[in-house]
Amino acid sequence: AQSVTQLDSQVPVFEEAPVELRCNYSSSVSVYLFWYVQYPNQGLQLLLKYLSGSTLVKGINGFEAEFNKSQTSFHLRKPSVHISDTAEYFCAVSEVDNYQLIWGAGTKLIIKP
Amino acid sequence: DSGVTQTPKHLITATGQRVTLRCSPRSGDLSVYWYQQSLDQGLQFLIQYYNGEERAKGNILERFSAQQFPDLHSELNLSSLELGDSALYFCASSASSQGNGETQYFGPGTRLLVL
Repeated sequence: AQSVTQLDSQVPVFEEAPVELRCNYSSSVSVYLFWYVQYPNQGLQLLLKYLSGSTLVKGINGFEAEFNKSQTSFHLRKPSVHISDTAEYFCAVSEVDNYQLIWGAGTKLIIKP
Repeated sequence: DSGVTQTPKHLITATGQRVTLRCSPRSGDLSVYWYQQSLDQGLQFLIQYYNGEERAKGNILERFSAQQFPDLHSELNLSSLELGDSALYFCASSASSQGNGETQYFGPGTRLLVL
């Protein structure tokens, strides 16, 4: 069965420092992978997604993620964070030809001034 | 603005009551998804409708039901409400189904407080 693990519930980081939010999944078949962001008091919006092709995916707001099939990971990175990146970040996976997204528990990114 | 609208934004009610949450998907989207987000359970998928028919079911309680109407708007009905049903309820929409890696577009949510 599919599952998604976001290893850190909170990640504190100083402004302008790099950040990596970790996501691992389990599935025995091909998957699509997503990162969504939820800013305070808002709904979720797509940051980026991996469907096929290049394993390095670039998204909005300077974020990128790398799909690693052997490690079943899809970690999210940003080289320099800004206070406006304060939000909760959700990793999600769906198996190809499956209708349902499986969601991770979320990681709160806390930016320290 | 995602193009998905949800009403009401806030709802306060008492235990045992019934409420209806409404969602209008983005123009042209055929799929509607309902999610519950709470502090203890995180983001939980409840149910998906595609073009008026139920497509997938997640962790939806029997006290909860949903439907999608011919104009593609959807309603989530929550009955015999309990304190633990207090949560943020999100609706999302996508063009067809999730089978091809589609993006889901989320509404702003309805915050339900059961007293």
